[in-house]
Amino acid sequence: DVKVTQSSRYLVKRTGEKVFLECVQDMDHENMFWYRQDPGLGLRLIYFSYDVKMKEKGDIPEGYSVSREKKERFSLILESASTNQTSMYLCASSFGVDEQYFGPGTRLTVT
Amino acid sequence: EDQVTQSPEALRLQEGESSSLNCSYTVSGLRGLFWYRQDPGKGPEFLFTLYSAGEEKEKERLKATLTKKESFLHITAPKPEDSATYLCAVQAWSNSGYALNFGKGTSLLVTP
Repeated sequence: DVKVTQSSRYLVKRTGEKVFLECVQDMDHENMFWYRQDPGLGLRLIYFSYDVKMKEKGDIPEGYSVSREKKERFSLILESASTNQTSMYLCASSFGVDEQYFGPGTRLTVT
Repeated sequence: EDQVTQSPEALRLQEGESSSLNCSYTVSGLRGLFWYRQDPGKGPEFLFTLYSAGEEKEKERLKATLTKKESFLHITAPKPEDSATYLCAVQAWSNSGYALNFGKGTSLLVTP
């Protein structure tokens, strides 16, 4: 079974803090994705990566950056957290064009 | 611009009462349509991929179908454990990295 793990299930940070969310997959997938999920807005793509050190912006990249130094690991960085970044963050991975497998999510609260 | 619309937003069924969820889409060059199930506080769980109009896939009480404009998720004789949010997503050939464009989901509650 594909396993995608995320570093934290719940996280509380203060406005202005730098926040790191980490995601690890164990299936040697080349594609990895970061989404956020908000009530009434659904899942929205923040960034994705199709190879080590490669990244592309999704629909809502403002205020975020990403890092992919190893194939299995994809990090989402909030350079200076703001209250409007309070959300559920979901990481996913896929092989080629196939279905994406999601991690359990990180519920981030910025106060 | 790709659009995915799911209806209804919420659905309440009695155990055993069959029904269908709808996902209508507009996309230039559909590569695949995906169905996911999401339980509260968890990540989406993959159910099906459909690639071409007329295709059908089944898993236990769930059956997904695809036309050129929409997909249906049919739930036959549902049980309370089928309660979840069901998400539909489309993938276009033009999407860089084969990203998915999700609908907002249908929240299903099945009561005993």
